Formats: sequence, structure tokens, C-alpha cells
Amino acid sequence: SQQGEEDPQALSIQEGENATMNCSYKTSINNLQWYRQNSGRGLVHLILIRSNEREKHSGRLRVTLDTSKKSSSLLITASRAADTASYFCATAQTGTASKLTFGTGTRLQVTL
Amino acid sequence: DTGVSQDPRHKITKRGQNVTFRCDPISEHNRLYWYRQTLGQGPEFLTYFQNEAQLEKSRLLSDRFSAERPKGSFSTLEIQRTEQGDSAMYLCASSPDSYATEAFFGQGTRLTVV
Repeated sequence: SQQGEEDPQALSIQEGENATMNCSYKTSINNLQWYRQNSGRGLVHLILIRSNEREKHSGRLRVTLDTSKKSSSLLITASRAADTASYFCATAQTGTASKLTFGTGTRLQVTL
Repeated sequence: DTGVSQDPRHKITKRGQNVTFRCDPISEHNRLYWYRQTLGQGPEFLTYFQNEAQLEKSRLLSDRFSAERPKGSFSTLEIQRTEQGDSAMYLCASSPDSYATEAFFGQGTRLTVV
């Protein structure tokens, strides 16, 4: 079963704009991860944030985590056409040996 | 290429036939996972191996599904008596044996049952 929901389900922006995606989850977690998936391909890991962290940066990516609200957000700054993909949050629940539970995903379209 | 590789990439089979997929993880990774992804959804966990031991199976893994990881290296996922509802992308991932780490995914095997 899916861990939670991602919002929005789809997002269309122009190149250079920022994209923000939100993820909610249901149970206590060890860490939360974001993955990107190009159409029909495998998933690529983007960033991992541990339950005791509140914010993390990696290049153009910024992730926040609010464990009290069981939510996370992914910000992609200065988007590029190559960022067009589906983005999934995935949680590793406490005590589950890194098994991941994925959200439903956000489809991002970046147009020129 | 030292990433996770899956074979075949695509498989079309008739309902009722058996299919087997293979996953070769990154060589130094002890953990191996199988996930299933249907159109428009996120991946769903199927099963997990720590070396050769299958430590967890999802309720999604019916009796028609079996997975093995002999010698703790490559893994196979077999589906017997396939049904149309088995049509999905089957993803394999591996990770090192550490507490909080990313998973490395293969490109997946897309199964179509006709």
C-alpha cells in the first residue's frame, strides 16, 4: 500500500521557474527520500533526509521535513526541461531495514 | 556498468504462462529488494533479501510469486500462472547493509500479460 499522498499530482512550469512538491506520510519514519523517474524508466535517488533533520540541500534541490506534521517538501530551483519527470517521496519506517514505502508521485512538466 | 541490471527489460506473455525475471545488484550490496509499479502509481514493496535470506514478504506477494537469491548474489522473481492483473513494471533495487541509505534501482522489467 502507498504510504501517503503527494501534492500536486501534476505540475507544469516554465524553464527557470521553481517547482515545489509536497509529500505527506502516515507512520513514524527513520528517513525520507526523494526519487525521480523518467517515463518508463527506473528510479534515481535524489536526496535523503533523516528524521532528526529539518532541511537539506543538494545542488538545486532543497528538502524540508516536518515530523510533527508528517510532511515533506521538495523544491527544485531554476528548473530545466531535463527536470521533466515524475517525483516520488519514499519513507523508510522505523525498524524496517530500509524497506521503502512510496507516495503516489508528482508529474512535473518543464516547458521551454 | 556497475549499476543494478534487470533482464529482460520487456516481457509479453499469455495469461497462464510462467515468467521469470532476473536482477543483478551492485556487487557489494547485501540488501536486495523487489518492487512492483503499476501505471500512475508509486512502487510497492514485494520482498527483501539480506544476502541469501528472504527476510520480508509483502501481502502483495501471492502464492504464485516466488523470489530467490541463491548465494546472495543475483535474484530471480518468478510468477506462475500469470494473470492480467500481474501486468506492471517490476523493479529491483539494492543497497548496502547500513541503517539509513539510499536504494539503487534497476531499469525495471515491464510485464504485459495478454
